[in-house]
Amino acid sequence: RKEVEQDPGPFNVPEGATVAFNCTYSNSASQSFFWYRQDCRKEPKLLMSVYSSGNEDGRFTAQLNRASQYISLLIRDSKLSDSATYLCVVTPNFGNEKLTFGTGTRLTIIP
Amino acid sequence: DAGVIQSPRHEVTEMGQEVTLRCKPISGHDYLFWYRQTMMRGLELLIYFNNNVPIDDSGMPEDRFSAKMPNASFSTLKIQPSEPRDSAVYFCASSTRLARAPSSSPSQYTQYFGPGTRLTVL
Repeated sequence: RKEVEQDPGPFNVPEGATVAFNCTYSNSASQSFFWYRQDCRKEPKLLMSVYSSGNEDGRFTAQLNRASQYISLLIRDSKLSDSATYLCVVTPNFGNEKLTFGTGTRLTIIP
Repeated sequence: DAGVIQSPRHEVTEMGQEVTLRCKPISGHDYLFWYRQTMMRGLELLIYFNNNVPIDDSGMPEDRFSAKMPNASFSTLKIQPSEPRDSAVYFCASSTRLARAPSSSPSQYTQYFGPGTRLTVL
């Protein structure tokens, strides 16, 4: 079983819609959680951290469910510029060493 | 400020040749990471350094791969001899770690990735 699993998609979503991705992780001791975004042929960039209480950044909301070992990302009012691959990332400790990446969920926003 | 710099951006070589990938981390960052990304396996950590010292190389696929960090501003990843299955995008990333306390924002020590080197081994 992979340490971090994501639905690869692709998700094709009309502009303005709401879309949600889930990610599951196998290591129950994982402490830090992130969503990274990767545009086509570009490097990954941090989108947002995921806190136990859930957190929101504009149109983006991240949730963590430790009991079920999954993380979610919700994008509201999706825009064409949201088209990218979204990578779920976990770490075994509070620091940032050894990020373990999921293989990503590909999102395409359709005009 | 300049971000993480990698060179070359593209490399095409023939099987059996030596390949050297280069990375300059962000100034002041004391962690450096090498990753490999393929369609099948996604992004995999190969090795990381702290203050120029290799901390964990368990992700290095085999002895054909080696990495060095002779100083705080330069690292290399070498593949010798290269094989077609080594074809991938290789990313270098750097970060600075401030604290381990759970109350600290983990975003403070996010990893910043370079643009990657796209390696093709024929």
